[in-house]
Amino acid sequence: DGGITQSPKYLFRKEGQNVTLSCEQNLNHDAMYWYRQDPGQGLRLIYYSQIVNDFQKGDIAEGYSVSREKKESFPLTVTSAQKNPTAFYLCASSFAGQGSEKLFFGSGTQLSVL
Amino acid sequence: GESVGLHLPTLSVQEGDNSIINCAYSNSASDYFIWYKQESGKGPQFIIDIRSNMDKRQGQRVTVLLNKTVKHLSLQIAATQPGDSAVYFCAENSGTYKYIFGTGTRLKVLA
Repeated sequence: DGGITQSPKYLFRKEGQNVTLSCEQNLNHDAMYWYRQDPGQGLRLIYYSQIVNDFQKGDIAEGYSVSREKKESFPLTVTSAQKNPTAFYLCASSFAGQGSEKLFFGSGTQLSVL
Repeated sequence: GESVGLHLPTLSVQEGDNSIINCAYSNSASDYFIWYKQESGKGPQFIIDIRSNMDKRQGQRVTVLLNKTVKHLSLQIAATQPGDSAVYFCAENSGTYKYIFGTGTRLKVLA
């Protein structure tokens, strides 16, 4: 089954702790994205990557970090510098990353603060 | 995920009726549009897309209409079913990495 797999589904973070959200895709997509979803707001872009070993900041990158060591994988780390991390995090992927392409999403990770 | 959709506009329709969900987009340079369906606690599911060189595109039970003059997009769902209950939102793109997402409309199907 082709798709985007996010894990875990639920994650809890203690104050001062870094946590990492996993995203894997087997769609052979070049571009991968991380979005944050808060109630009543549209999705906001955290980071995106158009190619292996390269990534760019989105609109709300502060307090987050990513890596793209493999085409299939784009993990997101929520660092202790992110003071309001509670949100639903969505990973997405597409071909090319030049826009005007179908954007497909994973099932999401709900992050909460203990 | 479970809290997504709080305070969203809600459209309530009777089962079997047609639904029309609207979206006003912001960028006149946007040339590609997508409609998504999102159920509680799940990721958005691609429904249908349309490019700016078209005014209308039909899928299975869904139709998207694009009015570039007033920057308006609509999603029509025919013979709405209980399984259609979800939050629906649009996305626009102008040929770059950046997609702009609407806040969404909650569709409730009444039995």
